[in-house]
Order: sequence, then C-alpha cells, then structure tokens
Amino acid sequence: DIVMTQSPDSLAVSLGERATINCKSSQSILYSPDNENYLAWYQQKPGQPPKLLIYWASTRESGVPDRFSGRGSGTDFTLTISSLQAEDVAVYYCQQYYTTPTFGQGTTVEIK
Amino acid sequence: HLQLQESGPGLVKPSETLSLTCTVSGDSIRTINYYWAWIRQPPGKGLEWIASVNYRGRTYYNMSLQSRVTISVAASEDEFSLTLSSVTAADTAVYYCARQTARAVAAHYFDFWGQGNMVTVSS
Repeated sequence: DIVMTQSPDSLAVSLGERATINCKSSQSILYSPDNENYLAWYQQKPGQPPKLLIYWASTRESGVPDRFSGRGSGTDFTLTISSLQAEDVAVYYCQQYYTTPTFGQGTTVEIK
Repeated sequence: HLQLQESGPGLVKPSETLSLTCTVSGDSIRTINYYWAWIRQPPGKGLEWIASVNYRGRTYYNMSLQSRVTISVAASEDEFSLTLSSVTAADTAVYYCARQTARAVAAHYFDFWGQGNMVTVSS
C-alpha cells in the first residue's frame, strides 16, 4: 500500500491568514501516461462526513471556495487555505488513488 | 440531487457478522463512470477504505480486510451492501458509503458521501 503522511498533525492559524497542509506519499502518484497526480483532498467537520475539496491534486470541486488550492507533483503535495475563515475549522485529509485508496492521518486546523 | 443513506445495526456482538446497506437516491447506481464504496472511521481516528463495487459487480478490496469482507450490488434496487465477518472491538467505527469516480476500469476519488452509520462491536 502507498502510505500517505501529512504534516503537521495540527495547526492554529489566525483568521484571514494562510494555512498550509503538507501531504507526502511513499511512492510517486504521478501517472505518466496521462500526466496526472492521483491525489484528492477532503475536509471533515465534526459530526459530518468528509467533503471533497480537490482532485487530480489541483482541480477544485464545484462549489468549493477559491481560497482552497492544491498543488504538488510526484510525492509531495500541499493544500493551502489562502485566507482562513471560521468555517474552515476542520480536519483535512489527503487521499491517493494511484493504487487501492489510502488516506493520510489527517491535519486539524484551528483558529489561533 | 444525489443522496446516499446507510442502514444497519448500531450494535454487533464480537465474532458475529456486520451487514450494512447503502441506498442511492437522486441518481441511478447503474452509471458506468462510478464505483460505490465503503469507508470507515474509528472514533477519533482517520479514514480507512474498505471496498468498492461497480454496478456490474466488479469489486476490489482493501487487502488487510479482504478475508472478512464482501461487497455486493443490487443495481435494480439502487443499493449496495457490505458484510464484515468475525468482528472485534477494532471494527467499531462510523461506516460511510460513498460514490467513487472512475475512468475506464480505475476507480478514483470519493465525490459524494452518506452521513455514516455508527457501529459498535460489544457483547
């Protein structure tokens, strides 16, 4: 299985400031034939199911605010919230789908 | 508007078999570009994919659970199901069903999720 490791485990950011979450895969998840990175990001608020934010590493799901962005390639990826809002407090997960799906352990984002 | 709804017991005894069903509404399960998946989340922990199936019955499983898991689809009823045998306390979790996008035969990310069904394994 491909192991997904997120960092940090938690971070506290002031309202309006940038939050950056890292995700590293144990092997490359860039598929050469289509030049796509097989990575998604999810947001999970307490008591709710995860919500898809980003797929193909950088494509924002319909309806997701543009303050959320994803980038990276190969084994190293980031999710950035450009200006943290109160409603962004949540746990964020990365997931690879290059092989059978695996998730990162999650990163908790809080307000400082 | 697509909706997925899990149903099943909230409590299962150790060594017994857990059975869950996901009912899909607002769209047909008989869609070629999707798989239908089960994912679980133990209390306070992260997400673990369990298994996926398409409407034609093509399946794939998490190897760590494969010996105990069966996923099946009842396409005519827009339902798919999960059975997990020989459960232990370690199987206590919220079980989510989800739609998984697919391209050709490869399944990808999860774009719609049910609200989850909490299952506790205890005598």
